[in-house]
Amino acid sequence: DAMVIQNPRYQVTQFGKPVTLSCSQTLNHNVMYWYQQKSSQAPKLLFHYYDKDFNNEADTPDNFQSRRPNTSFCFLDIRSPGLGDAAMYLCATSRLPWGNEQFFGPGTRLTVL
Amino acid sequence: QQPVQSPQAVILREGEDAVINCSSSKALYSVHWYRQKHGEAPVFLMILLKGGEQKGHEKISASFNEKKQQSSLYLTASQLSYSGTYFCGTRGWNTGTASKLTFGTGTRLQVTL
Repeated sequence: DAMVIQNPRYQVTQFGKPVTLSCSQTLNHNVMYWYQQKSSQAPKLLFHYYDKDFNNEADTPDNFQSRRPNTSFCFLDIRSPGLGDAAMYLCATSRLPWGNEQFFGPGTRLTVL
Repeated sequence: QQPVQSPQAVILREGEDAVINCSSSKALYSVHWYRQKHGEAPVFLMILLKGGEQKGHEKISASFNEKKQQSSLYLTASQLSYSGTYFCGTRGWNTGTASKLTFGTGTRLQVTL
């Protein structure tokens, strides 16, 4: 089945220690999104790629970076995690940016000690 | 600005109906509805692209009033499986807002026996 896969499902890191979360998709979708979701809150868009075009949200901290080496993979790098970065990180894909449903991966829950 | 959903939370008995509203301060191109169960990723329910459009999915349907910038989700004869948090996601008309979803504040729905 075509799907969105995130690894790892759970990640524990230390304060200030860089961490990378990965997302892969077999849907061959053009757009990949990274969301941050904190407890009892809505998903908040961090950035998205439309093919190779990178779109950063204005309020996404510089601490968060992303890479998309090819259509199938996208990475979220947190350079110096703080306690406030503990959250569920969701990857999603859509065929096109406009009017299309988004398919979400299962998420990576990040804990910062 | 984040769309506002009402009510914030609702408890239903199995078989009862519910309406969840989503209101935006900006002109909308489309409205998406997602359901998220605790600890899981959001799951797409439906998308409404045209003003006045109504769509249905089994016993769940939705309407979109473009003029009022509002959408409503209707759950009929609720089942235990309907429990979860419902989010609307909105897209705007201009280039910057059309390519991304802004999720609403969420409505927590619990269906009991």
